[in-house]
Amino acid sequence: DAKTTQPNSMESNEEEPVHLPCNHSTISGTDYIHWYRQLPSQGPEYVIHGLTSNVNNRMASLAIAEDRKSSTLILHRATLRDAAVYYCILRDVGANSKLTFGKGITLSVRP
Amino acid sequence: DAGVTQSPTHLIKTRGQHVTLRCSPISGHKSVSWYQQVLGQGPQFIFQYYEKEERGRGNFPDRFSARQFPNYSSELNVNALLLGDSALYLCASSLEGGRSNNEQFFGPGTRLTVL
Repeated sequence: DAKTTQPNSMESNEEEPVHLPCNHSTISGTDYIHWYRQLPSQGPEYVIHGLTSNVNNRMASLAIAEDRKSSTLILHRATLRDAAVYYCILRDVGANSKLTFGKGITLSVRP
Repeated sequence: DAGVTQSPTHLIKTRGQHVTLRCSPISGHKSVSWYQQVLGQGPQFIFQYYEKEERGRGNFPDRFSARQFPNYSSELNVNALLLGDSALYLCASSLEGGRSNNEQFFGPGTRLTVL
């Protein structure tokens, strides 16, 4: 499985934008970039995914570098509820449903 | 609509015992996957089942087994429990079995403690 690298932790202020980086230098052409997050005492939840183009949904935006070796999850206005562990995952479109989680990045939000 | 449900929420067992964990997927979802999450780590893939057939297996010993029923619910069985099996066991469901980018929906997990 292709590997991703994320910082261990990040802090942000409430109502400010947050940029969570992810490096995936060994990404293959068929790998999609997925982001999940895990709130305290809950199971992971899907955030967003993309292949080459930037993606937006109601939760976040995903900015993908032109060479696809890195990506950034953008939370436009952090809230206290966004404090969670965020996982950047590469998933081959031809694979089964398996998600390979790393340690993720722990986001803290200051009021 | 109800999300993914898992039972029990918490469980305490002793070494050598076996345990059965249960998962009900979201209505209409045919794929169920199991993950183990040890404290401080990300979830690790154990099994995936789709249409009652095993579609994927992670790097876990044969003490771990699973099955999927005609109603798409699933059980995870762990025999001869070890202290290291203490973890949060997560179930995830999705519409399809793979070859797609269906998002997976996770349940709240079963917290297993082995003493």
